[in-house]
Amino acid sequence: NAGVMQNPRHLVRRRGQEARLRCSPMKGHSHVYWYRQLPEEGLKFMVYLQKENIIDESGMPKERFSAEFPKEGPSILRIQQVVRGDSAAYFCASGARNTEAFFGQGTRLTVV
Amino acid sequence: RKEVEQDPGPFNVPEGATVAFNCTYSNSASQSFFWYRQDCRKEPKLLMSVYSSGNEDGRFTAQLNRASQYISLLIRDSKLSDSATYLCVVRSSGSARQLTFGSGTQLTVLP
Repeated sequence: NAGVMQNPRHLVRRRGQEARLRCSPMKGHSHVYWYRQLPEEGLKFMVYLQKENIIDESGMPKERFSAEFPKEGPSILRIQQVVRGDSAAYFCASGARNTEAFFGQGTRLTVV
Repeated sequence: RKEVEQDPGPFNVPEGATVAFNCTYSNSASQSFFWYRQDCRKEPKLLMSVYSSGNEDGRFTAQLNRASQYISLLIRDSKLSDSATYLCVVRSSGSARQLTFGSGTQLTVLP
């Protein structure tokens, strides 16, 4: 049973480009959480999704950021028109309804 | 007030020491509680769930006090490999069952 898979592990984008971060949950998990960790800071909740539904996006910036978790395929966190301040580690976690969550290794996004 | 608050530390303790971390949460309807550890900004890993009756896993003991909205983690006989950031995590109740992380407590175990 593979763990939570995130790719790419490292992503470099120029200002103004789009970044797409992918997360494949553990087998049997239908809940996905995305977190962002800025340098020298703690984990900040962004969005919580179940298959095809956004349950809580209270941590998502209002502009440029979107997330989806389609019926088939991985969850995608999309950042449009990236800026330097978007540089961070983005972690995805998956779980079942009332269980603990398990994290992927993260995607390190660098905006140059 | 933050939803989940932890003392950031750092805690620097000698090998073999006992160290305790505390965490408070603001939402009295919170349902589930966990401790995670994070090494050198790698992915957080589940250390243990926290049950109302308290629970122990080897050198680690977790306790929950719902009346005071307080969670603790005790590490006995600390090892060098225990050096990490310890994250208190709370799951909210209701439809928005997100996991909320504290900012973490940094522990360094010294030889």
